[in-house]
Amino acid sequence: QLQLQELGPGLVKSSETLSLTCTVSGDSIRSSNYYWGWIRQSPGKGLDWIGSIYYGGSTYYNPSLKSRVTISVDTSKNEVSLKVMSVTAADTAVYYCARHRAGMTLYWGQGTLVTVSS
Amino acid sequence: QAVVTQEPSLTVSPGGTITLTCGSTTGAVTSGHFPYWFQQKSGQAPRTLIYDTHNKHSWTPARFSGSLLGGKAALTLSGAQPEDEAEYYCLLSYSTGWVFGGGTKLTVL
Repeated sequence: QLQLQELGPGLVKSSETLSLTCTVSGDSIRSSNYYWGWIRQSPGKGLDWIGSIYYGGSTYYNPSLKSRVTISVDTSKNEVSLKVMSVTAADTAVYYCARHRAGMTLYWGQGTLVTVSS
Repeated sequence: QAVVTQEPSLTVSPGGTITLTCGSTTGAVTSGHFPYWFQQKSGQAPRTLIYDTHNKHSWTPARFSGSLLGGKAALTLSGAQPEDEAEYYCLLSYSTGWVFGGGTKLTVL
């Protein structure tokens, strides 16, 4: 059974880099034919797709975040990572990890709240 | 970048039927956008109700169905229950990535 668990600090200082890890169990990033993505939701707001990576190298980013975001995979640890640079209060959100593929379902992690403090 | 449009809010009576829609500023939504529908209840993570336009999960109540309607993706709820009160989001796939709609707050009243 697929499980996605987001891990990382709940508090990040303004102007610093937000780093999160998604631990994947029940599937192998290396062998599966899926995209691994990050989605966020600011308090009281809607869902916002951050970006996705396909094992093999292709990455797609939300144009509004592209200059500050990096998504990568560590196949030895079966993890997907997210880095958001130069954070501001607007980056305060619940961050979700997801597995998806065209024509297939999207599985969600439970999410982790990251607060940016000044 | 494309903008995905949804009704901000809708109200349905218990036992009633309602259709939520998901449009794209780039033109008609097709099966090639692989539309998803998600349900999010207050304080919870979203869960996938519909994928690839009309496919359901084992946990998707039979009263929910997905389709394409009038150039949009549609989520129809037939026989609304109080527990269906939630925020509903669609997600469309584009050649450049994925875009969420702004969400529809559905009230069962």
